[in-house]
Amino acid sequence: AQSVTQLGSHVSVSEGALVLLRCNYSSSVPPYLFWYVQYPNQGLQLLLKYTTGATLVKGINGFEAEFKKSETSFHLTKPSAHMSDAAEYFCAVSTGSARQLTFGSGTQLTVLP
Amino acid sequence: NAGVTQTPKFQVLKTGQSMTLQCAQDMNHEYMSWYRQDPGMGLRLIHYSVGAGITDQGEVPNGYNVSRSTTEDFPLRLLSAAPSQTSVYFCASSRRTGRNTGELFFGEGSRLTVL
Repeated sequence: AQSVTQLGSHVSVSEGALVLLRCNYSSSVPPYLFWYVQYPNQGLQLLLKYTTGATLVKGINGFEAEFKKSETSFHLTKPSAHMSDAAEYFCAVSTGSARQLTFGSGTQLTVLP
Repeated sequence: NAGVTQTPKFQVLKTGQSMTLQCAQDMNHEYMSWYRQDPGMGLRLIHYSVGAGITDQGEVPNGYNVSRSTTEDFPLRLLSAAPSQTSVYFCASSRRTGRNTGELFFGEGSRLTVL
């Protein structure tokens, strides 16, 4: 069985500050890992993903994440927060023959002016 | 590009009523799935399909039926609505092979309220 834990259901940062959203996973097989973003009243859209290869993954809007197998983590970072980054962020792990995703409970990011 | 289209966007039902949430995708994706989103619980998988004629249960399948007669369509049926099924429902699709395996494309969601 696979699972995802997102530490912190709400995170607030000041505009221009570092964004760090934490994600830990459990999986019995090599996982694919994803971060999705959800803006109000919209569906989820992919920020970035890790499948194989380079462990530091860059995504859209200046976000990146690093896969650390020894720590079973896939934390999301952005060096400088922008007001437009305010949204809910979901970490997800994908395993199994059908590669269905299991999502974390989400982290609501607030960016303060 | 239409992507994944869900209808209706909003629906109010009375307890015991049945309804179907429609989902269609135009990307020729083999894999389709339904999730429900509830506050503080993330997205939970209801049912999924790996191709036409093949469906399987996810984490929370009770009270829901699905079918997959074509590659494009994957309707979700609520048999007898209950207040516990008040939620936002998302349909998603992805390829099953290649480097984009598992990358889900989501519809905009259907907000269901059961009174």
